[in-house]
Amino acid sequence: DAGVIQSPRHEVTEMGQEVTLRCKPISGHNSLFWYRQTMMRGLELLIYFNNNVPIDDSGMPEDRFSAKMPNASFSTLKIQPSEPRDSAVYFCASRYRGGAGNQPQHFGDGTRLSIL
Amino acid sequence: KQEVTQIPAALSVPEGENLVLNCSFTDSAIYNLQWFRQDPGKGLTSLLLIQSSQREQTSGRLNASLDKSSGRSTLYIAASQPGDSATYLCAVRTLKTSYDKVIFGPGTSLSVIP
Repeated sequence: DAGVIQSPRHEVTEMGQEVTLRCKPISGHNSLFWYRQTMMRGLELLIYFNNNVPIDDSGMPEDRFSAKMPNASFSTLKIQPSEPRDSAVYFCASRYRGGAGNQPQHFGDGTRLSIL
Repeated sequence: KQEVTQIPAALSVPEGENLVLNCSFTDSAIYNLQWFRQDPGKGLTSLLLIQSSQREQTSGRLNASLDKSSGRSTLYIAASQPGDSATYLCAVRTLKTSYDKVIFGPGTSLSVIP
């Protein structure tokens, strides 16, 4: 099992540029989560998909952030335009939602984003 | 609103010691509680998951307990090793939402000194 795969691992870009983060969940998982981790705020849920449908995006900071899941094996998180305060580590996680309902989330290694 | 706190924020112990990490949550209406480990530059790895109906879970040298009524969980690590050095996060899945909303604590950074 390859685990959750995120790309890129590191991204450094200038303020105002568009940033796209990518995630490939574990095959067979039907729930996908995007998180942001900072020293100040810890780990925050940004958006949650179930069966490719966005269920809750209340954690998305503002309209500059958008996320898509066109199919069960791919998701993107886009920031346009990017700002220095968006600098953080962004994690994608997936899990299988069903059965006993207690399957843990599996995390990718994250994308470390720096906006200059 | 569910809030999760962890004490201490950081801990440094000599190798071989037994240690306890603490997690508190404000709303006892939880579905389950998980303990995760995060190594530097890596994602989170699930260590133990305790359902709301359970009191504890064990895996090797790790034992996690849950007292839902008091809003507390502890992670006990026996005979600590340098390889245990990492940040440990607890996370609660709340009952108040119809989906898998999980609230994370800020974590405890553990250093085990050889």
